[in-house]
Formats: sequence, structure tokens, C-alpha cells
Amino acid sequence: QKEVEQNSGPLSVPEGAIASLNCTYSDRGSQSFFWYRQYSGKSPELIMFIYSNGDKEDGRFTAQLNKASQYVSLLIRDSQPSDSATYLCAAWYNNNDMRFGAGTRLTVKP
Amino acid sequence: GAVVSQHPSRVICKSGTSVKIECRSLDFQATTMFWYRQFPKKSLMLMATSNEGSKATYEQGVEKDKFLINHASLTLSTLTVTSAHPEDSSFYICSARDLHRGPGNTIYFGEGSWLTVV
Repeated sequence: QKEVEQNSGPLSVPEGAIASLNCTYSDRGSQSFFWYRQYSGKSPELIMFIYSNGDKEDGRFTAQLNKASQYVSLLIRDSQPSDSATYLCAAWYNNNDMRFGAGTRLTVKP
Repeated sequence: GAVVSQHPSRVICKSGTSVKIECRSLDFQATTMFWYRQFPKKSLMLMATSNEGSKATYEQGVEKDKFLINHASLTLSTLTVTSAHPEDSSFYICSARDLHRGPGNTIYFGEGSWLTVV
């Protein structure tokens, strides 16, 4: 079964804190992983992708991948109220099979 | 800017009528596009994979005769909801893969289309 699991939340952090979003996947065949942000009533927008073990940083965002543990995470430093959204984790299993997690709702409180 | 454009963004139709939603890839060719639907506060649900020049591949439980998908060109896929009913009211989102932007499997979403059937 090809599944991507996320804690649905809601995750609530104070402004300026680090938000940590987690995702696990079931199929070791997956090679690429993506984090999308979706505001209420809007379409998902790509934040980051990662396909190598370790950390990848882009501004306030850091994606972490551990293929041995089948674990992907997204850290948001200096969280802002505008970061409040649902974050979707996705994994590619082959060229035409991308699976999404259910998403984690993040609320950043001023 | 947007790399995938979807139209219309909102549509209201009467029960029993058909509605067409367009998905266009901007400045790149998409041999494969994907159609999703999403209910409020729920996750994306893949409906079908649209392949240019061939029949779409539908996910289990999705009625292919009700949700007609056409991918006649490398930049356009359409989803037609036929004989729409109120339960078809949802947020429909398309996406496409751009092989030349990011890793080969990066997928970009259209803006989504809100369908309300009254």
C-alpha cells in the first residue's frame, strides 16, 4: 500500500517559533518528496522538494529526509501568522503516481 | 508566476447540466495532467490522470462517463462534469508536471475551480 501519513493537527505555534511538520511514507520505492502549502479555498503551492537524505534549506524553510526511517519533515523558522495554512506532504512513486498526505493544519498565533 | 492556469475559477450550474473546466500549462508542454477534487477541510483526492492523445486513467470509484477528460493537446486538458448533481459540488484542481522545472517529477497546480450545482 502506497501511503503518505501526516498528523492532521491542528498544530499551533506562537509567532517567531519553529513549526515542525512531519510526514511518513510506506513505500521505499519513492524517490522524490514535496511540501505544498494550501491556504483555505486556494490551490496548493509548492514550497520545497527533496530527494536526497539530509537537510535542504530555502529561506525560513528546511526540509529533512531520512529514507531509512521513511520520514520527511518540514521546519519553518520564525513562524509568521501568514504561514497559517494546511501543509501537504507528497511522494512520487513512479512517473505518474504521486501520493498526497491528508495535510497538517498549522496556526501561527500573533 | 503561475505555470498552470485553470478556468473558470468559480462556476454555478443547474442540476442536470454539464460543466467544462479547462486546465492549461503555460510555457511548457505537459504530456500528463492530473485532476483532483477536494471537499472542504479534506485532502486532495486524485480523480484521474490525463494523458495527451490517449484515454485518461481513472482512479477506482471515479465514474469515467460522468467525469469526461480530454487531453487533446500538450498544453490543454479539460474536465467535463456531465449531468451535474449537487453532490458534485466541490473544488476541482488540475496539475501538470514540468520536466524542465525543478526535478523531473515536480508537479504544479492550477488555481482550482469551485463548482456549485444548484
